[in-house]
Amino acid sequence: NAGVTQTPKFQVLKTGQSMTLQCAQDMNHEYMSWYRQDPGMGLRLIHYSVGAGITDQGEVPNGYNVSRSTTEDFPLRLLSAAPSQTSVYFCASSSLSSGKIYEQYFGPGTRLTVT
Amino acid sequence: QQQVKQSPQSLIVQKGGISIINCAYENTAFDYFPWYQQFPGKGPALLIAIRPDVSEKKEGRFTISFNKSAKQFSLHIMDSQPGDSATYFCAAFDSGSARQLTFGSGTQLTVLP
Repeated sequence: NAGVTQTPKFQVLKTGQSMTLQCAQDMNHEYMSWYRQDPGMGLRLIHYSVGAGITDQGEVPNGYNVSRSTTEDFPLRLLSAAPSQTSVYFCASSSLSSGKIYEQYFGPGTRLTVT
Repeated sequence: QQQVKQSPQSLIVQKGGISIINCAYENTAFDYFPWYQQFPGKGPALLIAIRPDVSEKKEGRFTISFNKSAKQFSLHIMDSQPGDSATYFCAAFDSGSARQLTFGSGTQLTVLP
């Protein structure tokens, strides 16, 4: 199993550009989520999904869109990049049926810089 | 609004010593309290977790202590090793309607050889 994979690993954008961060998991997990990690602020939840076709907002959703058309994939779209979105982005997944939803498996991250 | 407060921000411990990281929370809806470990350039990974009906949980050299009345919990790393050097995050999970994992700000642990 590859676990949770994210692409790209690094990305530089100019202000106003849009892009999609890709996330895929092969563990058949129902729950998937996106976090951003900034120094001194831990990880903050952007959006999450409990299954295909179901998404919800986390703590910091503004400027980001998500969709979940399949169990495996959960892409994160930046609509119009801003310097404040410079961060490391992590995708994670977990099993709802395991009783351990808090046990989230994280991908390797995407380091995004917006100039 | 930081719902989970973590301290210290950084910690330096000698090999063989005890590392202690503390967290406090406000939201009584939280019902799971996991700790995650993150090495540089990697995503966080679950280390150990506890439910609020248990006061202590031990796995190897790692122990969580939980004080429900004070809304505080802590991670103790016994016999700390240089390989334990990493960033540690406490977290709290609401498995009810919110289903969200809320992280503390992280503690960078350095264990000196």
